[in-house]
Amino acid sequence: GAVVSQHPSWVICKSGTSVKIECRSLDFQATTMFWYRQFPKQSLMLMATSNEGSKATYEQGVEKDKFLINHASLTLSTLTVTSAHPEDSSFYICSALFGLAGDTQYFGPGTRLTVL
Amino acid sequence: GQQLNQSPQSMFIQEGEDVSMNCTSSSIFNTWLWYKQEPGEGPVLLIALYKAGELTSNGRLTAQFGITRKDSFLNISASIPSDVGIYFCAGRSAGTYKYIFGTGTRLKVLA
Repeated sequence: GAVVSQHPSWVICKSGTSVKIECRSLDFQATTMFWYRQFPKQSLMLMATSNEGSKATYEQGVEKDKFLINHASLTLSTLTVTSAHPEDSSFYICSALFGLAGDTQYFGPGTRLTVL
Repeated sequence: GQQLNQSPQSMFIQEGEDVSMNCTSSSIFNTWLWYKQEPGEGPVLLIALYKAGELTSNGRLTAQFGITRKDSFLNISASIPSDVGIYFCAGRSAGTYKYIFGTGTRLKVLA
């Protein structure tokens, strides 16, 4: 299967600072990547669709100025949580579409963000 | 956001028992994916289904793409302790890249 990595795996930051999370497709090129947020004991909530070379598409209710997404290459998408606050603490997971028709979706290992 | 109805929500079973779970949608899908997620990790793809009626196996796991294209099923045979985790279904309609996820089935296996 295809491999997706995320970095860092966990991060602790002070309120008001910005945090960048990287998502990489290691053995394939990904035109489309997704960013999810997951709260404890809940399913995955799609935040945005990241498209290489164009602006990200955000889901309703997700602040695009708060969660900046950049998909500058076919193997890298980044999510920057700007001016983080404790309510932004969560598990953030990226995924990438794989295959000629983008039929299959592979996930990264996730990033645990804790804002103090 | 929209979620698929997945059942059961949780299961406690004895080691060696078989497990069945399902996922239903109000929309017609052309792809179904099944994932397993363990605590603190991202979901891992188990099985992908691309055709109505398709039955696909991965070791002790078997998944089926429902004939109506509005449901999918996952079976685990002879469960073992390492099967513990949360199982998610995900479905996608034609004309979109986005998958919709199920609410998850939490599986616990008693040795």
